[in-house]
Amino acid sequence: GDSVTQMEGPVTLSEEAFLTINCTYTATGYPSLFWYVQYPGEGLQLLLKATKADDKGSNKGFEATYRKETTSFHLEKGSVQVSDSAVYFCALRPYNNNDMRFGAGTRLTVKP
Amino acid sequence: DVKVTQSSRYLVKRTGEKVFLECVQDMDHENMFWYRQDPGLGLRLIYFSYDVKMKEKGDIPEGYSVSREKKERFSLILESASTNQTSMYLCASSSPGQGNEKLFFGSGTQLSVL
Repeated sequence: GDSVTQMEGPVTLSEEAFLTINCTYTATGYPSLFWYVQYPGEGLQLLLKATKADDKGSNKGFEATYRKETTSFHLEKGSVQVSDSAVYFCALRPYNNNDMRFGAGTRLTVKP
Repeated sequence: DVKVTQSSRYLVKRTGEKVFLECVQDMDHENMFWYRQDPGLGLRLIYFSYDVKMKEKGDIPEGYSVSREKKERFSLILESASTNQTSMYLCASSSPGQGNEKLFFGSGTQLSVL
């Protein structure tokens, strides 16, 4: 079935460092792709999304590009802040379905 | 503010008990979901529902059942709780169709089965 695989954490960075969290997917057809974020003590919330090939989702300085040729949707941010410390989940919604499939999550810790 | 409300933040139950986890959303969403979240495994889909009285199995339905008698409420039932069902349970809802894929999550219920 459709699924996503994301890089294992945890990831620890210094403030202002560059962030990449890798995500690849397996799917039939053309899924929609998402990044969700879970801040400490809170529920998951949508960070960004892309619904077709070559789309770029962006929010709060984070970006991810839907790359069909490499079946990837890597999350990037040029300069992380302490407040970005959270768990990040890559997710996929199959083309002909309404359910959402999540990766294992990557915990990011940003140190001052 | 739109809301998905889970009835309990923490629950402690004993092996063999019947457990009900309740979820209510106030957004008139058709779709509702139950996930469990475990370290290193991420979120795994247990059951979801597209409409009242409809339900679909997710990836790990064994040991669980669900009930959707009203549009706003989606209940997860553990018929006979076991220790391997100790987990964080997350409820979510969404509207169907392209452009409406965003899931709204509740804060979660941390269930411990002793």
